[in-house]
Amino acid sequence: GQNIDQPTEMTATEGAIVQINCTYQTSGFNGLFWYQQHAGEAPTFLSYNVLDGLEEKGRFSSFLSRSKGYSYLLLKELQMKDSASYLCAGVDSNYQLIWGAGTKLIIKP
Amino acid sequence: IAGITQAPTSQILAAGRRMTLRCTQDMRHNAMYWYRQDLGLGLRLIHYSNTAGTTGKGEVPDGYSVSRANTDDFPLTLASAVPSQTSVYFCASSDSNQGATGELFFGEGSRLTVL
Repeated sequence: GQNIDQPTEMTATEGAIVQINCTYQTSGFNGLFWYQQHAGEAPTFLSYNVLDGLEEKGRFSSFLSRSKGYSYLLLKELQMKDSASYLCAGVDSNYQLIWGAGTKLIIKP
Repeated sequence: IAGITQAPTSQILAAGRRMTLRCTQDMRHNAMYWYRQDLGLGLRLIHYSNTAGTTGKGEVPDGYSVSRANTDDFPLTLASAVPSQTSVYFCASSDSNQGATGELFFGEGSRLTVL
């Protein structure tokens, strides 16, 4: 079956760095998305990776290893506003999105 | 720019009643989607539409129907609501078929409680 695994919850300190991992099993693979969702709000797009390697966008970076079925989202210089859930979604061979349950990130002062 | 508008934002509904959740986008995106989000679960696709005039079933379509009469509107109807349909419903759109490099744009969600 198809599956996306990510930790349920993580805690980090303001100003620090945190890495949120995601492992995927999909029938075929056409890329991986990361979305951010603040409590009570809609998900918003963060990144899309289809090739191996690290892509950096300001304080946020996303990494993909296709051979390992693994991705991570790296958040640097954490701010209180980064407290949110982070959703990982893999794209299968039919271009269907398979969503993880999300990782709730708690930032402490 | 409004993006995607959903209505209502919140609704309490008696079991057995019919309910339509409205979704309108002003981005001229060809693809639109309805998801439900439940605690501890990932977003689950209910129905989708790749272009006006066509619809398709997602992962959890039972008890729901959709229509796509034009590009902008994509209503979701619960013909006879049941308590298991209590959830937060998100409408989304993209300018390419789902899963391609086009990102999804989400509405603010409709919180539905079925008693």
